[in-house]
Amino acid sequence: GESVGLHLPTLSVQEGDNSIINCAYSNSASDYFIWYKQESGKGPQFIIDIRSNMDKRQGQRVTVLLNKTVKHLSLQIAATQPGDSAVYFCAEMDSSYKLIFGSGTRLLVRP
Amino acid sequence: GAGVSQTPSNKVTEKGKYVELRCDPISGHTALYWYRQSLGQGPEFLIYFQGTGAADDSGLPNDRFFAVRPEGSVSTLKIQRTERGDSAVYLCASSKDRVNNEQFFGPGTRLTVL
Repeated sequence: GESVGLHLPTLSVQEGDNSIINCAYSNSASDYFIWYKQESGKGPQFIIDIRSNMDKRQGQRVTVLLNKTVKHLSLQIAATQPGDSAVYFCAEMDSSYKLIFGSGTRLLVRP
Repeated sequence: GAGVSQTPSNKVTEKGKYVELRCDPISGHTALYWYRQSLGQGPEFLIYFQGTGAADDSGLPNDRFFAVRPEGSVSTLKIQRTERGDSAVYLCASSKDRVNNEQFFGPGTRLTVL
């Protein structure tokens, strides 16, 4: 079937290297941000979130950084694995609890 | 436990026909969301239910689109007089409530209008 992300920016990394995916968000009033991973034919899967009162949050192999001054989010994946290959979206939650997704980035992991 | 499920997984219809897409949220989740995802883009919000009522339907593109959640669980997205531009993946998500608002997504329904 068709694949999400055919026309998206692509980041290609070597297995074992670190990956950094960037995202700009639109609403300076947003106070909750999430990174999602989407594999072909599947719905978005939650990776990590961060609230606006923080500038960094770490999970297992993933770190999210938030720069409110320039409305920028980044997702860092340590020791990238083939299973990390997917399309990654950042999303902000607005005051009415709906998610506003950014444009995605396709991550390709080279063996 | 079971995640969000959506049926059908694929739907092919002809221009002008009526379609219904179904979403079964995670049991106990009071908030339910519909999104639409076109090829190469991120999901776009359509409508949000808190319980049985539509708390925010600002994302519905026009009056051909309608959604219901009569018993506060299963939701149906209804599209009348389908157009080729309606072709997309329709995603449903649920969250425990508005405060615990991590949204869990279903696999989506791929709608193709010929």
